[in-house]
Amino acid sequence: GAVVSQHPSRVICKSGTSVKIECRSLDFQATTMFWYRQFPKQSLMLMATSNEGSKATYEQGVEKDKFLINHASLTLSTLTVTSAHPEDSSFYICSARRLADNIQYFGAGTRLSVL
Amino acid sequence: DAKTTQPPSMDCAEGRAANLPCNHSTISGNEYVYWYRQIHSQGPQYIIHGLKNNETNEMASLIITEDRKSSTLILPHATLRDTAVYYCIVRVGTSYDKVIFGPGTSLSVIP
Repeated sequence: GAVVSQHPSRVICKSGTSVKIECRSLDFQATTMFWYRQFPKQSLMLMATSNEGSKATYEQGVEKDKFLINHASLTLSTLTVTSAHPEDSSFYICSARRLADNIQYFGAGTRLSVL
Repeated sequence: DAKTTQPPSMDCAEGRAANLPCNHSTISGNEYVYWYRQIHSQGPQYIIHGLKNNETNEMASLIITEDRKSSTLILPHATLRDTAVYYCIVRVGTSYDKVIFGPGTSLSVIP
């Protein structure tokens, strides 16, 4: 099966700092990647769609200046949570679409805790 | 607005078949039915998808009704490791479509 690697798996940071999360498709190229957020006991919420070489498309209500997305290559997308605050604590999950079958494959997620 | 309806929770005895239903009465002709599952504190895992024919792979079987308004995911011999939230998703399946998650069904496999 297709493998999507996400790093780090867990991060704890102080309020006001920025945190970068990496998402890599290991065995396929992904022109499109997605970032989701999940709060406890809730379903995944799509934050943004990341296209290689162009600006990300953010879902309504998601602050693009706070959640910076870069998709600089066909195998790597990054999400930077800028000036993180406790309310940004959540489970962040990336996904990459494999062109061969248009299936979205997901990373293992990053648990962010902002103190 | 939700495209699919699933029961919020289900139980299944270990070793028995788990049958997870999904209603998608407004599905369009070019929309596929996808199933994912999420084991606690992990990312979602792709299981299977289909358009109108029944599908089977090493993980599960997908039965889609003839009118395509509902489907059933079948785990033939459920194990404790199948305890997870199962999501039924309808999408076109093109490069311009994205996976939107509903609340899913929380399946508990009981020893």
